[in-house]
Amino acid sequence: ETGVTQTPRHLVMGMTNKKSLKCEQHLGHNAMYWYKQSAKKPLELMFVYNFKEQTENNSVPSRFSPECPNSSHLFLHLHTLQPEDSALYLCASSPLTGTGDEKLFFGSGTQLSVL
Amino acid sequence: GQNIDQPTEMTATEGAIVQINCTYQTSGFNGLFWYQQHAGEAPTFLSYNVLDGLEEKGRFSSFLSRSKGYSYLLLKELQMKDSASYLCAVRDSNYQLIWGAGTKLIIKP
Repeated sequence: ETGVTQTPRHLVMGMTNKKSLKCEQHLGHNAMYWYKQSAKKPLELMFVYNFKEQTENNSVPSRFSPECPNSSHLFLHLHTLQPEDSALYLCASSPLTGTGDEKLFFGSGTQLSVL
Repeated sequence: GQNIDQPTEMTATEGAIVQINCTYQTSGFNGLFWYQQHAGEAPTFLSYNVLDGLEEKGRFSSFLSRSKGYSYLLLKELQMKDSASYLCAVRDSNYQLIWGAGTKLIIKP
């Protein structure tokens, strides 16, 4: 248990569906992240939120829409996805100390399959 | 471009020692991390190196050489539960984390 909870664990959706991924942390961290993990590829950073403000969007297609209502919750809204979006989506949180050694605490991820 | 290289897969025997290498070419350096990820689970933090040398933590040790752009994770007295993927990540001069693709370690009895 890392202190970061993601739901659902598995999701199958069609290309015309709309769904949302949820992430929750009660570690008192002020930074939250969405990562995409595809087989045999490095983790891809999608979005970063510091103190609820989005500070990074790594050229992610608009069919992925993040939302951070407070520092403990993070959502990823999905719509009109493509089969190549099938992957493990990981949420993470970290403290913001500015020292560079902040480690990430990951959730177990949502395994997404787009049909 | 920035790049992290680590072997895709390694196999070792229970009770033995294994070394997982990571080489990096990044824009600056502000620390190197190792994470462990069991199949279907969250990656979890193992170690952080920012200065050259060896950091030992129980059965796991991590080494860093900044001049060579090189790190390794050393696992001793391997146990079956050590079967997992091991992810290397470097924080660059912009404090961005650059990730390797991970090394899948298979432990055999």
